[in-house]
Amino acid sequence: EPEVTQTPSHQVTQMGQEVILRCVPISNHLYFYWYRQILGQKVEFLVSFYNNEISEKSEIFDDQFSVERPDGSNFTLKIRSTKLEDSAMYFCASSGTGISNYGYTFGSGTRLTVV
Amino acid sequence: DQQVKQNSPSLSVQEGRISILNCDYTNSMFDYFLWYKKYPAEGPTFLISISSIKDKNEDGRFTVFLNKSAKHLSLHIVPSQPGDSAVYFCAASVGGGNTPLVFGKGTRLSVIA
Repeated sequence: EPEVTQTPSHQVTQMGQEVILRCVPISNHLYFYWYRQILGQKVEFLVSFYNNEISEKSEIFDDQFSVERPDGSNFTLKIRSTKLEDSAMYFCASSGTGISNYGYTFGSGTRLTVV
Repeated sequence: DQQVKQNSPSLSVQEGRISILNCDYTNSMFDYFLWYKKYPAEGPTFLISISSIKDKNEDGRFTVFLNKSAKHLSLHIVPSQPGDSAVYFCAASVGGGNTPLVFGKGTRLSVIA
């Protein structure tokens, strides 16, 4: 079964450092997403990406965050200057088009720890 | 602002019995609802969905019921199996398709053999 691949599975970084979280979505999917889950809290939407541009973003996704699809397969989330409160599980997801393909496929996540 | 609420953080059920997981929502614009299952160290896995034009959708052991007037949905698992033990998330969206999902906090289901 096709899957969304995320790397690394766990990243530890110092406060103020830049991090890049990487994702390989399912190859024939057109919509890409980042969600995050702070420990003990709900999964929250960050951003959606379609046709090489952001289609929607939440208020969490401020100027410190950016996304990119640098080539035909990768989808990255960059946090420019990490804060302690950015520590969370970050999930990448992808989906096809149309109701029949609805229901994102999520990756296994990257646990980001900011120290 | 909890637009999607799962008021039971945990639920224990005996193997073979029915598991009923509940979810309430406040945003009347939501018209597509999904259930996801999550195991530790894995991402959420899509289980079943329902659009607001239906009140029931069934897929094998899983059935989702939607009560629009009460803004309530539930997931029934019959019969429950030990492998169903996981955290279950309710999610909702406006417009279906590929719009952002709003998740509840999840309910941890334990199925006891």
